[in-house]
Amino acid sequence: DTGVSQNPRHKITKRGQNVTFRCDPISEHNRLYWYRQTLGQGPEFLTYFQNEAQLEKSRLLSDRFSAERPKGSFSTLEIQRTEQGDSAMYLCASSRDASYGYTFGSGTRLTVV
Amino acid sequence: QQQVKQSPQSLIVQKGGISIINCAYENTAFDYFPWYQQFPGKGPALLIAIRPDVSEKKEGRFTISFNKSAKQFSLHIMDSQPGDSATYFCAASRRSSASKIIFGSGTRLSIRP
Repeated sequence: DTGVSQNPRHKITKRGQNVTFRCDPISEHNRLYWYRQTLGQGPEFLTYFQNEAQLEKSRLLSDRFSAERPKGSFSTLEIQRTEQGDSAMYLCASSRDASYGYTFGSGTRLTVV
Repeated sequence: QQQVKQSPQSLIVQKGGISIINCAYENTAFDYFPWYQQFPGKGPALLIAIRPDVSEKKEGRFTISFNKSAKQFSLHIMDSQPGDSATYFCAASRRSSASKIIFGSGTRLSIRP
């Protein structure tokens, strides 16, 4: 499979719990992006990695959110002390470099109850 | 601040008709304008993209028209088919920077048989 893989596909959690999502990009892509998409809206940028370096973070990414990309391969996005407003689709995308568009994964749908 | 404005929010077109979705951008530093197609439960998929040095790009039934002076661009879907029913997002980015893509709010397109 040469696509972007995200796990889990769905996550239901209670408010206040911590959750972690995983993204496996296309192997030769050195750029990895996290976006959040709420119902009826376009994806909103959260953060960006080039290899293992996190180069940009959106102001949307509060201190409860943290992302890592150890060794420049897979990435994880953790949300601590989840709130109902965190309910959304979390999308991961990767690209080879600036000359190419993104390839998105199918996303992780988070529901906070 | 909405950097990419998209309209209409929803669109219904008869099979065989032309679907037209419009976008406007504010940042003149943008130099890459992709369109993404998203089906329910899936991540967005790159459909077609244009750079501002050309006024039109065509790929099959999909055409982007670009007006640099007006800071507007549009997607035309010719001979629209029921399988084209999806949500479409225009987007923009600065390829010289981190290539963070800014998305519009989306257009839900329904093609009636």
